[in-house]
Amino acid sequence: QKEVEQNSGPLSVPEGAIASLNCTYSDRVSQSFFWYRQYSGKSPELIMSIYSNGDKEDGRFTAQLNKASQYVSLLIRDSQPSDSATYLCAVNPGGKLIFGQGTELSVKP
Amino acid sequence: DADVTQTPRNRITKTGKRIMLECSQTKGHDRMYWYRQDPGLGLRLIYYSFDVKDINKGEISDGYSVSRQAQAKFSLSLESAIPNQTALYFCATTAGDADTQYFGPGTRLTVL
Repeated sequence: QKEVEQNSGPLSVPEGAIASLNCTYSDRVSQSFFWYRQYSGKSPELIMSIYSNGDKEDGRFTAQLNKASQYVSLLIRDSQPSDSATYLCAVNPGGKLIFGQGTELSVKP
Repeated sequence: DADVTQTPRNRITKTGKRIMLECSQTKGHDRMYWYRQDPGLGLRLIYYSFDVKDINKGEISDGYSVSRQAQAKFSLSLESAIPNQTALYFCATTAGDADTQYFGPGTRLTVL
């Protein structure tokens, strides 16, 4: 079992819809959780970090963390074509980031 | 100027050649990382360093070596390149566990 698992997609949503991206992790000692966005051929960039159970909102993005279920999710409201990218979930069990394989999101106009 | 730079940006080489990829950062961070990315596999950690005297293997270190020449410089070497090392390589730096990792622009390496 991979340490961090994501649905590889592709996930296709219409413009204006909510995109829901999911991630599970296996290491219970993990304390820091991150969502990175990566456009094709570019480097990853951080869009959200979350450390406590519950929801964290930043503009159109909401990260949700449930440590008991070892589950992290990212919701993108009012999805735009510019949100089309690969979204990488990353977990820090201490000293290093472990990435999932990424979920490709396509937002159709 | 970019905070994290990588050289070269693209490299084509032949099987058996020695290759060095270089990374420099101006963020003043102690921690530096090397990842490789293959289609559908996300980012996999090759090596990481918490300071100049600290080097640690990641999940896929076989066939690679690193050198931390200074706080700001972290190099990745392929002693004898093989075709399955063809990938996109990223360097990253961070201040700590709860902090953002900042990535370089990547080096696209092709081994023929």
